Amino acid sequence: QQQVKQSPQSLIVQKGGIPIINCAYENTAFDYFPWYQQFPGKGPALLIAIRPDVSEKKEGRFTISFNKSAKQFSLHIMDSQPGDSATYFCAASKGNFNKFYFGSGTKLNVKP
Amino acid sequence: ETGVTQSPTHLIKTRGQQVTLRCSSQSGHNTVSWYQQALGQGPQFIFQYYREEENGRGNFPPRFSGLQFPNYSSELNVNALELDDSALYLCASSKPRQGNTEAFFGQGTRLTVV
Repeated sequence: QQQVKQSPQSLIVQKGGIPIINCAYENTAFDYFPWYQQFPGKGPALLIAIRPDVSEKKEGRFTISFNKSAKQFSLHIMDSQPGDSATYFCAASKGNFNKFYFGSGTKLNVKP
Repeated sequence: ETGVTQSPTHLIKTRGQQVTLRCSSQSGHNTVSWYQQALGQGPQFIFQYYREEENGRGNFPPRFSGLQFPNYSSELNVNALELDDSALYLCASSKPRQGNTEAFFGQGTRLTVV
């Protein structure tokens, strides 16, 4: 059973557009929701993370929206740039130890 | 750079062989987690080591085993390699504490089983 479901699988936007990636989770015990960015041949890099006590978090051009009742969260990338072209993963964990359940990933292509 | 280093970066092994992958955690981090990332998939949790003890395991068979050393570096061992073990193996280091569960990944080891 997949604990975290991610969509869409791939996304193409023009430079300056706002791609939105969605994730849904099952386990209400999850209390930490990070987003990771991965370039080909590299390990995932932490972008931004949120806890369920807030509904939104912004860091630079990246925003997480969190809906606790719907068990959903999403990543918005403002003013997207070609350098943002990468695969994005949402994840979830519970407690102090970060044993992550990852989504299946979204491959983002930002066209110039 | 995350300060988490993995070696080797690439490896080719034959089915049935054994392999050892290594991970040096970020300075000050006492926890290392290992993940398997198949092509086009999200990482899957293999196991975690905290202060040299296994601290949780995912749905992987016993032929996947690990070790953590006093300096908190870690090894992942896989015995009796199968073709499906071909993947990117990632380690993540962290220092779990209340309110902070950030984890930082290494660049991974690409294992190919032929």
